[in-house]
Parts: sequence; structure tokens; C-alpha cells
Amino acid sequence: DIQMTQSPSSLSASVGDRVTITCQASQDINTYLNWYQQKPGKAPKLLIYDASTLETGVPSRFSGGGSGTVFSLTIASLQPEDIATYYCQQYDNFPTFGPGTKMEIK
Amino acid sequence: QVQLVQSGAEVKKPGASVRVSCTTSGYTFVSYDIHWVRQAPGQGLEWMGWMNPNSGNTGYAQKFQGRVTMTRDTSISTAYLELSSLTSEDTAVYYCAKIKIPVATVTHFEFWGQGTLVTVSS
Repeated sequence: DIQMTQSPSSLSASVGDRVTITCQASQDINTYLNWYQQKPGKAPKLLIYDASTLETGVPSRFSGGGSGTVFSLTIASLQPEDIATYYCQQYDNFPTFGPGTKMEIK
Repeated sequence: QVQLVQSGAEVKKPGASVRVSCTTSGYTFVSYDIHWVRQAPGQGLEWMGWMNPNSGNTGYAQKFQGRVTMTRDTSISTAYLELSSLTSEDTAVYYCAKIKIPVATVTHFEFWGQGTLVTVSS
């Protein structure tokens, strides 16, 4: 199985800050990588697919990058509604998720 | 609009089985694989398996092989997850999810059900 790791596991930042989360795969997954946002008590929401394609309706302050084994999710200017846990997910093989990054406001 | 509506919360005793339903609308049910993902309390997301609603073909995560079954009823656009031999470790919210494009190997989970809490307790 392909293992996914994320860093940091939690992140505290101020409104307006630029924040970046990193996701690493245990083997080369090309760009077969998605990002999800999950708010408490809700189902995950697809933000970015194929490593860098923004899902319809997702604000442009979100962006993704990377290929191979290292990927990133960046929020250009953190907003209060971005408080959530973020998960990466690979689909090179059977899907696996990263452990999540919990975003908090300072 | 696309909707996936799941059945209500369940409480089961250890050793029992549970069946969760996922009723879909707003798209052609047989054209998109349905996947199941679970989330234990305070934990991350865990993929369980997939089902092709057209053929009924399935694929399960190795961890659940032998005690998970995914089925469907195309006449009512509904997918089912059945998990047997429950233990307290199976206490979790179970989600169904529809993939974004009708290509089985491209698993972007575009739409999700609201989740079904399954509690396993004696």
C-alpha cells in the first residue's frame, strides 16, 4: 500500500496569512493526488484534484502543486471559514488518505 | 442536483452485522463508481472499497476482506455497505462517495453522503 504523510499535523495562523501544508507519498504517484477540506461534523469536500486543478466553486486562494512524491496545498490568504482539517489522498493505487492537518486561527 | 442520502445511525452489539444504505439522485447511478470511506471518532479517513453500480463488481481494502460486502439496487439508485463481525474498533462514521468522472481508476471523491454513525457497544 502507498503510505501518505502530512506536515504539519496542526497549524495555527492569523487571518490573512499565507499557509502551506505538505503531503508526501511513500512512492512516486505522478500527480494522482487530491486535497479535501473537512469541517467538524461534515463530510469532506473536494478542493483540488490531480495535484493542482481547482474544483469548481472553490475559492482561488487555494492552490495545489507538486508531483512524484511531494505535494503542497497553499492558502494564499487565510480566512476564518478555512478553519478545518485538510487531507491529501492518492489514487495511483487503491486510494489512501494522509493523516490530516488541523488548521486553526491564532 | 447530485445528492447522496445515507440511512440513519445504528447501534450494534459486538459480533453483529450492520447494513448502511446510500440513496443517490441527480445523476445516472450506473455510470459512476461508489466508494465507502469511514472515520473513527477523532481520527482520519479510511478507504474501505468500491463498487461499480453497473456491473456490481467490487474491490475491497485488504483490511476488510472477508467481512465487507458492497451491493446495489439499480431500480432505486441505492448502494449498500454491509460489515460483519463488528467490534468496538468499527465504531465510526461511514460515508459513501461518488467519483467525479466515469473512469474507475480516477478516484476523485466529488460528492459525499452525510455520513452514518455506527456505534458498536455491548
